[in-house]
Amino acid sequence: GAVVSQHPSRVICKSGTSVKIECRSLDFQATTMFWYRQFPKQSLMLMATSNEGSKATYEQGVEKDKFLINHASLTLSTLTVTSAHPEDSSFYICSARGQGDNIQYFGAGTRLSVL
Amino acid sequence: EDQVTQSPEALRLQEGESSSLNCSYTVSGLRGLFWYRQDPGKGPEFLFTLYSAGEEKEKERLKATLTKKESFLHITAPKPEDSATYLCAVQARGGSNYKLTFGKGTLLTVNP
Repeated sequence: GAVVSQHPSRVICKSGTSVKIECRSLDFQATTMFWYRQFPKQSLMLMATSNEGSKATYEQGVEKDKFLINHASLTLSTLTVTSAHPEDSSFYICSARGQGDNIQYFGAGTRLSVL
Repeated sequence: EDQVTQSPEALRLQEGESSSLNCSYTVSGLRGLFWYRQDPGKGPEFLFTLYSAGEEKEKERLKATLTKKESFLHITAPKPEDSATYLCAVQARGGSNYKLTFGKGTLLTVNP
């Protein structure tokens, strides 16, 4: 149980384009979903937290207009990187927690490369 | 501000050679301390949650322990398939968002 699916696993795009990443909880309802960014040999940095039906809460220093998060249902959240630039290249990982559960279950991550 | 420091950064063991990983933390009231395993290019895989000092949890060759200032992940007779980065994270009490603060991890390599 507690499976989180993230898609795509890898994306390469040109500078200036927008990229959408999907995160789905497959066997539970995700009360809260989280989006992280991870640089090589670095810790996971929380970007934003989203609750179903509510606006996402962004961490300090994260541009909300650049990283659009939608949590429209209890099983799906999306992260859209708008007008991506090479400095946005990174490993993006989502996680989800169910109601009454404080454990976060993670997706497999998305490697974004912006040329 | 919550902080997590893991040591060592990297650890190389021979198969069967037991050792421990350390996670030191400061948090404004601990709700839970989490251990995850992360394989290269993958998302973290949940291992354990510890909630109070003195608590221990075991899973196969892994045992996690917790004090008021640190947690240890003990690896007994490791195998090459235990090679991975082990991440420690803390969750503070209070608030409703269940945020995790992660350490940088310990890269474990087990040689056959």
